[in-house]
Amino acid sequence: QQPVQSPQAVILREGEDAVINCSSSKALYSVHWYRQKHGEAPVFLMILLKGGEQKGHDKISASFNEKKQQSSLYLTASQLSYSGTYFCGTASSSGGYNKLIFGAGTRLAVHP
Amino acid sequence: NAGVTQTPKFRILKIGQSMTLQCTQDMNHNYMYWYRQDPGMGLKLIYYSVGAGITDKGEVPNGYNVSRSTTEDFPLRLELAAPSQTSVYFCASSEGQAHYNEQFFGPGTRLTVL
Repeated sequence: QQPVQSPQAVILREGEDAVINCSSSKALYSVHWYRQKHGEAPVFLMILLKGGEQKGHDKISASFNEKKQQSSLYLTASQLSYSGTYFCGTASSSGGYNKLIFGAGTRLAVHP
Repeated sequence: NAGVTQTPKFRILKIGQSMTLQCTQDMNHNYMYWYRQDPGMGLKLIYYSVGAGITDKGEVPNGYNVSRSTTEDFPLRLELAAPSQTSVYFCASSEGQAHYNEQFFGPGTRLTVL
């Protein structure tokens, strides 16, 4: 079952902060975050694993609440380059280790 | 390294035609994936492979077939194209299992079925 992302869209001015949320009804092994710019392929941001391990970019901040099956991506002091669509992907006990199920995405627009 | 490459970049098909979308990676990754992305939507997993000769269905496999004869290549076959298959198709690969590893995406193939 597809994870639910919120909000669907965010508009920011440069320097402002945003939080993007991802919620699943399944018990999760991990949550993955990707950013996609218009017309381009998704690009990896980070992985948050059950047990607290994180893999990814040092400048990206995120959290994973295993009990609630929720993750949040924190975008602070936003830059124009942060604009794009953010997707979370989840690996769950029902889906197994070999698949990610992606949410519908959160569109972020950062303006000068 | 070229990473993950896909051909063609764009294609228009007529209803009922067949085609193969090519995907090649040069990172020696065992795991490869095919996704489709409809306009304004997320990625839906079509098929995936955990190594040469081993493939399995994803969320939306109907109307597609795959094969994996080498580590490098993972072609996706559409047998009888339908308008519902109009989408952008992304191929991806990872070094290890999806739950623990970054996926590297190709540039995509934009397919229109008329």
